[in-house]
Amino acid sequence: KAGVTQTPRYLIKTRGQQVTLSCSPISGHRSVSWYQQTPGQGLQFLFEYFSETQRNKGNFPGRFSGRQFSNSRSEMNVSTLELGDSALYLCASSFLSVDYGYTFGSGTRLTVV
Amino acid sequence: GNSVTQMEGPVTLSEEAFLTINCTYTATGYPSLFWYVQYPGEGLQLLLKATKADDKGSNKGFEATYRKETTSFHLEKGSVQVSDSAVYFCALSEVIQGAQKLVFGQGTRLTINP
Repeated sequence: KAGVTQTPRYLIKTRGQQVTLSCSPISGHRSVSWYQQTPGQGLQFLFEYFSETQRNKGNFPGRFSGRQFSNSRSEMNVSTLELGDSALYLCASSFLSVDYGYTFGSGTRLTVV
Repeated sequence: GNSVTQMEGPVTLSEEAFLTINCTYTATGYPSLFWYVQYPGEGLQLLLKATKADDKGSNKGFEATYRKETTSFHLEKGSVQVSDSAVYFCALSEVIQGAQKLVFGQGTRLTINP
């Protein structure tokens, strides 16, 4: 079966711009979570959606937002980009609960210049 | 809050050596525990998991046992291969009133030399 698909794989943006990243979960998975990975901070939780509702949010500024559609696909948006937003953004899906384990996508590498 | 502490890396071993990567956690309740592996340029892959005390997770020759008394989940493999070179992450699940996430350790980079 198809895995978690993230698009685009690579992105270069300029400070002050905004960006939208997309994630298509495994078919049947209703929970989608987003993580930011950087060399300095490691893996940090951004937010989790289940059936179009945000269930959990990490400690990130309001410039980071997300949503989930009725087909479980999810997008995250970052507005007013800063250099420090350069990171690998990972999407993960699970069937019901994180206790089942996540399936991660390959990530979107965002570079802000 | 809940946290995971992993053995500092990087770790460099020769092929066929024995591997241990230490992982300890701090948590309220009884979380599920995981090891994920990340190969260069890729996302994380679930390597193994354990959902309750004394459970042993295993996959591809790797093993880890959920030790509640020592709050540990150390990763072991009896004979490593060059293809095991990757970054390994220990993690626990955190579920609070339906809000859930994984809490990760900082990762341990493993390099296996032929």
